[in-house]
Amino acid sequence: GDSVTQMEGPVTLSEEACLTINCTYTATGYPSLFWYVQYPGEGLQLLLKATKADDKGSNKGFEATYRKETTSFHLEKGSVQVSDSAVYFCALSDQTGGSYIPTFGRGTSLIVHP
Amino acid sequence: GAVVSQHPSRVICKSGTSVKIECRSLDFQATTMFWYRQFPKQSLMLMATSNEGSKATYEQGVEKDKFLINHASLTLSTLTVTSAHPEDSSFYICSARDGVRSPSYEQYFGPGTRLTVT
Repeated sequence: GDSVTQMEGPVTLSEEACLTINCTYTATGYPSLFWYVQYPGEGLQLLLKATKADDKGSNKGFEATYRKETTSFHLEKGSVQVSDSAVYFCALSDQTGGSYIPTFGRGTSLIVHP
Repeated sequence: GAVVSQHPSRVICKSGTSVKIECRSLDFQATTMFWYRQFPKQSLMLMATSNEGSKATYEQGVEKDKFLINHASLTLSTLTVTSAHPEDSSFYICSARDGVRSPSYEQYFGPGTRLTVT
């Protein structure tokens, strides 16, 4: 079945540091890929997405590129802020699987210190 | 657009009582809704998938008689936790998919409901 693997957290950074959160996936079809962000006590918000190979999703300074050859969708940001502290979930939705049920990674907690 | 609301945001109930959580799509028709459970510092566990007008499909290990899901209209799904126990305390999140207007892989999440059973 489909699966998503994320690097374990927490990731602790100082403000303005560079961020990379690794995400790899396995899928039977040709999935769409997503990053969601969850701030404390809240639900999930879509951060960015990519629907085909080599697509780059971007939002709020975050970027991720759909790499089919390495089955990866790593999240990056050049300069993090304290307000970026949250839990980040990598996810996929397999369009050819027939069921469109999303699959989530375990989440990676990001803590940014001033 | 594509806003999903949940009510209540927080609920505290006594052991043995039932609690109903509502999930509404405010500006679109949700052909499919998902219910998730999230334990502290853990990922989302999909509990069930519901399509409007049909019975929910529960994931393996989820008791359908304990977690009753009703998707009676295209804008409302409810999750009822029956005979709640302290181990049911958790953060419950719903999401909705607009299979008509948006790509079928897009889903929109509610803000979550914190259930505490005492």
